[in-house]
Amino acid sequence: NAGVTQTPKFRVLKTGQSMTLLCAQDMNHEYMYWYRQDPGMGLRLIHYSVGEGTTAKGEVPDGYNVSRLKKQNFLLGLESAAPSQTSVYFCASSYSTTNQPQHFGDGTRLSIL
Amino acid sequence: GQQVMQIPQYQHVQEGEDFTTYCNSSTTLSNIQWYKQRPGGHPVFLIQLVKSGEVKKQKRLTFQFGEAKKNSSLHITATQTTDVGTYFCAGPGSGTYKYIFGTGTRLKVLA
Repeated sequence: NAGVTQTPKFRVLKTGQSMTLLCAQDMNHEYMYWYRQDPGMGLRLIHYSVGEGTTAKGEVPDGYNVSRLKKQNFLLGLESAAPSQTSVYFCASSYSTTNQPQHFGDGTRLSIL
Repeated sequence: GQQVMQIPQYQHVQEGEDFTTYCNSSTTLSNIQWYKQRPGGHPVFLIQLVKSGEVKKQKRLTFQFGEAKKNSSLHITATQTTDVGTYFCAGPGSGTYKYIFGTGTRLKVLA
């Protein structure tokens, strides 16, 4: 049982390049989330999904897009990477109600040069 | 908008000393969760509190939810080096399906 798996674990991009971060969970969770973590800023929600085919904006959605075509996968896209998007990105998932714990992946460390 | 703040931001303690972190929300919370993130790791769920005034214990960790359900605390008795990490509280966003995470308290334990 892998839980929440994020790929890749590390990536270096040049400004203006695009990429997609993949999150996969095998716990049949309805809810999935993308966060970014910056020093001293805690975890900030980028986008989230409450079920297959649905997405919603979080606190810091600008510059990112997401898709949830399959229940087990949640993709985070950067169309034109900027240095301000250098961060550690965490994916998380939970069961269908908000009083359930979130299970986090190991994170993706992304650097934009 | 809704905010969840934690104090202190950093805490250094000698091994064996006690440690407390406080979490304060700008709005009343239906529940509050606590997570621990080891250096270089990912957040791991510790516990959830639901009732006003609720107190829960996990070995040396004591979690408390305030009577007004706007604040919470985590107290560690006799810290050990394994307690090192950042502790986050998180509360549900009003009218949404998401959680708002606190800014975290980073704990260092000196042996």
